[in-house]
Amino acid sequence: GAVVSQHPSRVICKSGTSVKIECRSLDFQATTMFWYRQFPKQSLMLMATSNEGSKATYEQGVEKDKFLINHASLTLSTLTVTSAHPEDSSFYICSANDRGEYEQYFGPGTRLTVT
Amino acid sequence: GQQLNQSPQSMFIQEGEDVSMNCTSSSIFNTWLWYKQDPGEGPVLLIALYKAGELTSNGRLTAQFGITRKDSFLNISASIPSDVGIYFCAGGAQKLVFGQGTRLTINP
Repeated sequence: GAVVSQHPSRVICKSGTSVKIECRSLDFQATTMFWYRQFPKQSLMLMATSNEGSKATYEQGVEKDKFLINHASLTLSTLTVTSAHPEDSSFYICSANDRGEYEQYFGPGTRLTVT
Repeated sequence: GQQLNQSPQSMFIQEGEDVSMNCTSSSIFNTWLWYKQDPGEGPVLLIALYKAGELTSNGRLTAQFGITRKDSFLNISASIPSDVGIYFCAGGAQKLVFGQGTRLTINP
């Protein structure tokens, strides 16, 4: 149980374009999903908390207009990196927790490379 | 803001040795979680701790939630090659703060 998937696993895009990353909870309903970014040899940095049916809560320093988050259902959240730049290249990981639980289950991550 | 200090940053051990790593926080946490991350993959939950003083095992892994609620340790007994990876502690409640990670390397 508690499986989270992400798609795509890898994406290469040109500077200025937008990229959408999907995060799905496969065998449970996730009222809350989280989006993290991880640079090489560093820890996970929380970008935003996504609640089903409401606006995402962004961490300080994360531009909400650049990183658009939509959590339209209890099993799907999407992160769209708009007008991507090379400095947005990173490993993006989502996580989800089941209702009332604090344990977060992570997706396999999406490697974004902006050229 | 809340910060977690995880140590050691890296460990180089022989197969079969025991491993110990810990995390300390400047703040009290209600939950401590330990994750393992392999290269290019997402973290996998190893152990979750919810009560101060709680000691929990998962196979060869044992973790404890410190009495002060500001620290936790993870022990791995009789290490094997597949234990290689980066271990992260995380504390918080719904929102988690992550430690810097402990990179474990095992010499066969």
